[in-house]
Amino acid sequence: DIQMTQSPSTLSASVGDRVTITCRASQSISNWLAWYQQKPGKAPKLLIYKASSLESGVPSRFSGSGSGTEFTLTISSLQPDDFATYYCQQYNSYWTFGQGTKVEIK
Amino acid sequence: EVQLVESGGGLGQPGGSLRLSCAASGFTFSSNWMHWVRQPPGKGLVWVSRINSDGSSTTYADSVKGRFTISRDNAKNTLYLQMNSLRVEDTAVYYCAREVARGWYFDLWGRGTLVTVSS
Repeated sequence: DIQMTQSPSTLSASVGDRVTITCRASQSISNWLAWYQQKPGKAPKLLIYKASSLESGVPSRFSGSGSGTEFTLTISSLQPDDFATYYCQQYNSYWTFGQGTKVEIK
Repeated sequence: EVQLVESGGGLGQPGGSLRLSCAASGFTFSSNWMHWVRQPPGKGLVWVSRINSDGSSTTYADSVKGRFTISRDNAKNTLYLQMNSLRVEDTAVYYCAREVARGWYFDLWGRGTLVTVSS
């Protein structure tokens, strides 16, 4: 099974900050990686697929990069609506999620 | 409106059964593979099961294999999860999710239904 490890688990930031979340796979997954945003009590929302492709309707301040085993999600200028938990997901072999990164207000 | 709406959650006894449903609307349900994903209280997302577009092929996580059955009724635009031999560790919010055609990732999720397994 492919394991996904995100870091950090929690991130404290201010509005306007540049934020980077890292996701590492236990083996190469090429670029078969997605990022989701989840707010409390709500369903996850797709942000990025195929490591770096922005889902339609998602603000351009979100971007993804990486391939193989190391990936990043970057928010270029954190907005009030972005405080949430973010999950990476590999879909190279079945489907596995990272443990999540909570972005909280500093 | 394009949406998925889960139902059927509630309190289940250890060793008991529950059946979850996910009603799809606003898109051609029969064209997409579908999944169930669960989230234990305060924890992360865990993939549970998937079914292909015509229901002829299914896959399960090891933790539910032999106990849960995923199925679909394309005439009713509905996805199901039959949960048998429930365990306390099955307690979670259960989400249905649509897989992008030939994409393998999930572009539409329901709001979830809470399953609590307790005596």
